[in-house]
Amino acid sequence: AQSVTQLGSHVSVSEGALVLLRCNYSSSVPPYLFWYVQYPNQGLQLLLKYTTGATLVKGINGFEAEFKKSETSFHLTKPSAHMSDAAEYFCAVSEGTFSGGYNKLIFGAGTRLAVHP
Amino acid sequence: GAVVSQHPSRVICKSGTSVKIECRSLDFQATTMFWYRQFPKQSLMLMATSNEGSKATYEQGVEKDKFLINHASLTLSTLTVTSAHPEDSSFYICSARDRPSAYEQYFGPGTRLTVT
Repeated sequence: AQSVTQLGSHVSVSEGALVLLRCNYSSSVPPYLFWYVQYPNQGLQLLLKYTTGATLVKGINGFEAEFKKSETSFHLTKPSAHMSDAAEYFCAVSEGTFSGGYNKLIFGAGTRLAVHP
Repeated sequence: GAVVSQHPSRVICKSGTSVKIECRSLDFQATTMFWYRQFPKQSLMLMATSNEGSKATYEQGVEKDKFLINHASLTLSTLTVTSAHPEDSSFYICSARDRPSAYEQYFGPGTRLTVT
């Protein structure tokens, strides 16, 4: 079974500092990996995704993530944090092949990012 | 493109009543829609998957008689919480996929249900 582990339920950084949110996954097939952001009382917005090809993926709002198969990781980074980045971030994995009628998204527990002046 | 809406955004109902939440794909046809539940400060838990024109598939532990899902058209799925109780209070989020083979899901803005 697939699973996602996000290390650190809370991360706090200073404005302008590097943001690093960790995500490790387990999957028996090549994974499709996603990072979503959720602002209070809102749905999820896709930040970026990895399916195939280049392992360094760039997303919206200056975020990027690198798929490292050997480490089963897909950590999210941003060089310089902004106050507006404060939100909940979810890493998710989906099967890479279509079977059984649908693919589920398996979410990590989430990491709350706080950005202070 | 790929916009999903939910209605209502917030609803308060009395214990014992039923409430219906709508999920619509605005600019695409959604062959599959998903319903999630999110408790405060927790992750999303998949409740069920619905394919247009067929019965929903519920995840283990989800009461299908309590959470009725209907996917009557390619742009609309509804979740009805029947005989609601305070423990059903939660944030309900739907998502949709535009092709059976697609891996990406587009999420709605969520519905906050409070049962008093």
